Amino acid sequence: GQNIDQPTEMTATEGAIVQINCTYQTSGFNGLFWYQQHAGEAPTFLSYNVLDGLEEKGRFSSFLSRSKGYSYLLLKELQMKDSASYLCAVRPRGGSSASKIIFGSGTRLSIRP
Amino acid sequence: DTGVSQDPRHKITKRGQNVTFRCDPISEHNRLYWYRQTLGQGPEFLTYFQNEAQLEKSRLLSDRFSAERPKGSFSTLEIQRTEQGDSAMYLCASSFSGTQNEQFFGPGTRLTVL
Repeated sequence: GQNIDQPTEMTATEGAIVQINCTYQTSGFNGLFWYQQHAGEAPTFLSYNVLDGLEEKGRFSSFLSRSKGYSYLLLKELQMKDSASYLCAVRPRGGSSASKIIFGSGTRLSIRP
Repeated sequence: DTGVSQDPRHKITKRGQNVTFRCDPISEHNRLYWYRQTLGQGPEFLTYFQNEAQLEKSRLLSDRFSAERPKGSFSTLEIQRTEQGDSAMYLCASSFSGTQNEQFFGPGTRLTVL
């Protein structure tokens, strides 16, 4: 089976740093994605990790440890517009499942002034 | 081409009616996906196409659901004999086949079954 766990809600302060954790247990692994979703809108791609380590992209960074089944998304210099849900998603490996991705339930992040 | 488009954006129907949604992917993308999302949950995979071939269909998808992509471009998702439990946001996404295979999502069709 496939299981992706992330906190339901988090709150952080404008200008601060926040780390959103994700753990996964999947039958295979062929990459992990983070998406941002504002209320009532479609998810938008933030990052992709397939190898262990940290990928940095502006204010956002994503880390992966395949041996631990663990990832985190790090958001720096938080802005009010960062208030959104953050979705962790895993692509299982193999065959016709090569492109399917499995989403977690998302972490709703609220930024306070 | 500004991205993935979906039509309609909202649909209200009565239980037992049939509904059809359309998705137009980004033109260069050969893969197209359908997801369903309910409040407070992440998108749930329904099915996906590579060109016109439907390569995978979720076991969660009942026989009332069918999807087509006849010419390998736009796709339709039909729900027959709708039930209240079908009320959700239906999201379409498209991508290139390739190493990263990032999926680009459309704005979704919000279905309400009364």
